[in-house]
Amino acid sequence: VQLVQSGAEVRKPGASVTVSCKASGYTFTGNLVHWFRQAPGQGLEWMGRMNPNSGVTTYAQKFQGRVTMTRDTSISTAYMSLTKLRSDDTAVYYCARAGAFPFDPWGQGTLVTVSS
Amino acid sequence: NFMLTQPHSVSESPGKTVTISCTGSSGSIASNYVQWFRQRPGSAPTTVIYEDKRRPSGVPDRFSGSIDSSSNSASLTISGLKTEDEADYYCQSYDSGSHVVFGGGTKLTVL
Repeated sequence: VQLVQSGAEVRKPGASVTVSCKASGYTFTGNLVHWFRQAPGQGLEWMGRMNPNSGVTTYAQKFQGRVTMTRDTSISTAYMSLTKLRSDDTAVYYCARAGAFPFDPWGQGTLVTVSS
Repeated sequence: NFMLTQPHSVSESPGKTVTISCTGSSGSIASNYVQWFRQRPGSAPTTVIYEDKRRPSGVPDRFSGSIDSSSNSASLTISGLKTEDEADYYCQSYDSGSHVVFGGGTKLTVL
């Protein structure tokens, strides 16, 4: 069971970013996928979750209106898009599966840097 | 908003036992399961305790979790400390809307 995320991204303030999370080793539609982020030197923050089977999402209130979680079941890949980026969105973004226990496994993380 | 509070840092010597607390801000911490994650520098978190006290396979029984309803807190206890246990530890649970909530993290130093 493995989640492999896309590579590091650099964006200017006001832009958008999409991070992908490709699942392997299990049935992608059988488990929720959660997204988290961790700003430099800070703690973990939950962004939301998606049911890959139905596409139904739940977002943390802090990100409502700026985050969209989607999936492509044909390639077992989940996506997290964040718009209107600010400098304080600079962080490592993680996906993780909700399996037999939360959360396992995690992706390797994707660094998103927002800088002018 | 439901919050989980952890000590910023703890330190202990190799071979000793350390306990990291995680206190809920409201309601009963026993209402939802608590998980504990270990995060080493530059790596993604991994689960060391789930559903309050269960250990994933591969996690040694030096790691244990508990709930104390009287103090509305969860605890992670690591016995027989090893230098490899040095890491950041996060507790995690859920709020009334089933949204995921993390504690602020505790830096464990084994010196």
